Amino acid sequence: DIQMTQSPSSLSASVGDRVTITCRASQGISRYLNWYQQKPGKAPKLLIYAASTLQSGVPSRFSGSGSGTDFTLTISSLQPEDFATYYCQQSYSTPRTFGQGTKVEVK
Amino acid sequence: QVQLVESGGGVVQPGRSLRLSCAASGFTFSSYAMHWVRQAPGKGLEWVAVIWYDGSNKYYTDSVKGRFTISRDNSKNTLYLQMNSLRAEDTAVYYCARDGMTTVTAYYFDCWGQGTLVTVSS
Repeated sequence: DIQMTQSPSSLSASVGDRVTITCRASQGISRYLNWYQQKPGKAPKLLIYAASTLQSGVPSRFSGSGSGTDFTLTISSLQPEDFATYYCQQSYSTPRTFGQGTKVEVK
Repeated sequence: QVQLVESGGGVVQPGRSLRLSCAASGFTFSSYAMHWVRQAPGKGLEWVAVIWYDGSNKYYTDSVKGRFTISRDNSKNTLYLQMNSLRAEDTAVYYCARDGMTTVTAYYFDCWGQGTLVTVSS
């Protein structure tokens, strides 16, 4: 199985901050990497697929980059509604695995 | 609008069975692969199973192989997950999720249901 490791596991930030979350795959996955946002008690929401393609309706302050084993999710200017947990997920091989999550909290 | 509504969760004893359903609306159900993804209480997300848009292929994560069966009825726009020989470690919120592409399986999830809680406990 491909292991997905996110860092950090949590971070504290303020509204307006630039936030970067990293996801590393245990083997190369090309650009088969997706990002989700989950708020407490809610289903996850797709933000980015294929490493850098913004899902329809997702604000442009979210962006993704990377290929191979190293990937990044960036929030250019954190908004109040962005405090949540973020997960990466590889869609390269079965089982399609998720990272452990990164919780973005209020500083 | 696209909607996925799960049902069938509840409390069940270890070793027993449960069947989850996911009713789809607002899109052409028969054109999309569908997935089940679960989340144990306070834990991260785990992909469980996928079924091709036409039901021709099904794949599972190792921990449920031989115990869970994914199926679909395209005439009823409904996805199912039959769960047998349930274990305590199957306790989770189970989400159905739509694949991100039509007629090919991309293995990312662009629409999710609200989830249904399965608790396996004696």
